[in-house]
Amino acid sequence: GAVVSQHPSRVICKSGTSVKIECRSLDFQATTMFWYRQFPKQSLMLMATSNEGSKATYEQGVEKDKFLINHASLTLSTLTVTSAHPEDSSFYICSASWGQETQYFGPGTRLLVL
Amino acid sequence: QKEVEQDPGPLSVPEGAIVSLNCTYSNSAFQYFMWYRQYSRKGPELLMYTYSSGNKEDGRFTAQVDKSSKYISLFIRDSQPSDSATYLCATPSPIPTFGRGTSLIVHP
Repeated sequence: GAVVSQHPSRVICKSGTSVKIECRSLDFQATTMFWYRQFPKQSLMLMATSNEGSKATYEQGVEKDKFLINHASLTLSTLTVTSAHPEDSSFYICSASWGQETQYFGPGTRLLVL
Repeated sequence: QKEVEQDPGPLSVPEGAIVSLNCTYSNSAFQYFMWYRQYSRKGPELLMYTYSSGNKEDGRFTAQVDKSSKYISLFIRDSQPSDSATYLCATPSPIPTFGRGTSLIVHP
């Protein structure tokens, strides 16, 4: 199946710093990438949808100036959490798709903000 | 009402049992459905996807869609302890929508 990687797998940072998470589709070109956040024992919450070369579409309640998404190529999207605070600590997961249907997920990035 | 509803469980079964996992959805426009398996602290892994009503089988897994009642199911035959995970149903459009997941525990 299609492989999606994420880096880093976990990161600990101080409050006020920015953190960048990379999502790569390794063996296919992803026309669309999605970014999710998942709190313990909760479902995936879609944060934003990004298409290569265009601005990301953010879901209601997600601050686009805080969660910067760049989708510079068909195989790479990045999520930058700016001025992170402890409440931003969560499990961030990306997925990639080349069509309207199936999404392939990365392994996730666990962010802990102290 | 959430667009995709799923009982969070946990559902605990003995090894070898047949497991039935279910979701209901509210939007009749949903056409595609997927089942993902998520182990603790990992990203979801695609198990199966279906488009039409009826059954789709893949090894020990069978996905069933009943569009008339807006009900989707995943059956696992001969369940194994390694099947212990959270199972998420999902539909990709118009925007990706996931159920909250059902936690399955298969005990030896």
